[in-house]
Amino acid sequence: SQTIHQWPATLVQPVGSPLSLECTVEGTSNPNLYWYRQAAGRGLQLLFYSVGIGQISSEVPQNLSASRPQDRQFILSSKKLLLSDSGFYLCAWSPSAGYGELFFGEGSRLTVL
Amino acid sequence: QKEVEQDPGPLSVPEGAIVSLNCTYSNSAFQYFMWYRQYSRKGPELLMYTYSSGNKEDGRFTAQVDKSSKYISLFIRDSQPSDSATYLCAMSGWGDMRFGAGTRLTVKP
Repeated sequence: SQTIHQWPATLVQPVGSPLSLECTVEGTSNPNLYWYRQAAGRGLQLLFYSVGIGQISSEVPQNLSASRPQDRQFILSSKKLLLSDSGFYLCAWSPSAGYGELFFGEGSRLTVL
Repeated sequence: QKEVEQDPGPLSVPEGAIVSLNCTYSNSAFQYFMWYRQYSRKGPELLMYTYSSGNKEDGRFTAQVDKSSKYISLFIRDSQPSDSATYLCAMSGWGDMRFGAGTRLTVKP
């Protein structure tokens, strides 16, 4: 069966510091991978998605970037965090590019102070 | 008009009640319809997945899709305190996926 792992679960970082959130998927090949941010009462905002190694599409211009160095690994980064980057970040994968079922990781709660 | 509208709640019901959660959408290209359950501080968990119009039942849960009205529902029978969570509707098609903002449900013992 497929599993998705996301870490760290909780992160407190000062403004201006770098960020790296990591996500890996097991039990499947060539998954489509996604990073979402969830704000209270505002639903899920798609940040990045990837259909293959090195292929990243950005949905929202911002202070964040994403990379996919391996087939089942997806990384969300920032060189300098802003207060507005605080939030709940979710990695997800799907078996098809047509946006069928989407499976989420446990999430990473980022607080920027 | 938002692409997906979901009753915000919060919704509080007694144990054993039937719960109805609903979403409306505007994009007629959506073909896949999903309901996610999200416990506090956790990632959303896929609860129900349906394709096109009709009903799908899984235990105490029934998902209903009416494409002609652009309306989807999730029914929970014999609700339990463990059902207390935020429920997100989602729909997708042609490379686009949208989520509702979520309905927070509390089932009181």
